[in-house]
Amino acid sequence: NAGVTQTPKFQVLKTGQSMTLQCAQDMNHEYMSWYRQDPGMGLRLIHYSVGAGITDQGEVPNGYNVSRSTTEDFPLRLLSAAPSQTSVYFCASSTRDGHYEQYFGPGTRLTVT
Amino acid sequence: QQPVQSPQAVILREGEDAVINCSSSKALYSVHWYRQKHGEAPVFLMILLKGGEQKGHEKISASFNEKKQQSSLYLTASQLSYSGTYFCGTELSSNYQLIWGAGTKLIIKP
Repeated sequence: NAGVTQTPKFQVLKTGQSMTLQCAQDMNHEYMSWYRQDPGMGLRLIHYSVGAGITDQGEVPNGYNVSRSTTEDFPLRLLSAAPSQTSVYFCASSTRDGHYEQYFGPGTRLTVT
Repeated sequence: QQPVQSPQAVILREGEDAVINCSSSKALYSVHWYRQKHGEAPVFLMILLKGGEQKGHEKISASFNEKKQQSSLYLTASQLSYSGTYFCGTELSSNYQLIWGAGTKLIIKP
């Protein structure tokens, strides 16, 4: 099993550009989420999904969109990049049994200039 | 709403013990503990649920005081591999939304 994979690993964008961060998991997990982590800080939940076709907003959803057309994939779209979105982005997945251990991807380091 | 972790950082010698605390001002449904090494993704350690159930790591223990809305992570006989930043994530209800603390940096010296 590859677990949770994320692409790209690094990305530099100019202000106003858009892009999609890819996330995939091969563990048949129902729950997937996107977090951002700023230097010296904890994780903040952007969006999450409890199953294919179902998404919801987390703590900091503004400027980001998600969709979940399959169980495996959960892409994160930045609509119009801003310097405040410079961060490391982690995707995670878990089962939905209520006592869930989250498996994290390796992260995408995004810089917006 | 963000839980408060203490201490912010701790330096230990190999073999010493450490306690990391996580406090919330809100009633908690669960507390999750993760460790993150520099440049890597967080790795699961422990989940503590309201009512006392625990799931997690063999060599690391934790407690959850529901009355105080506080959890403590106990690292005994620390090893060099325990170095990293420890984060608690808190869940106010069974809604899959974790709110994370700012982390506790643990440095283990030989």
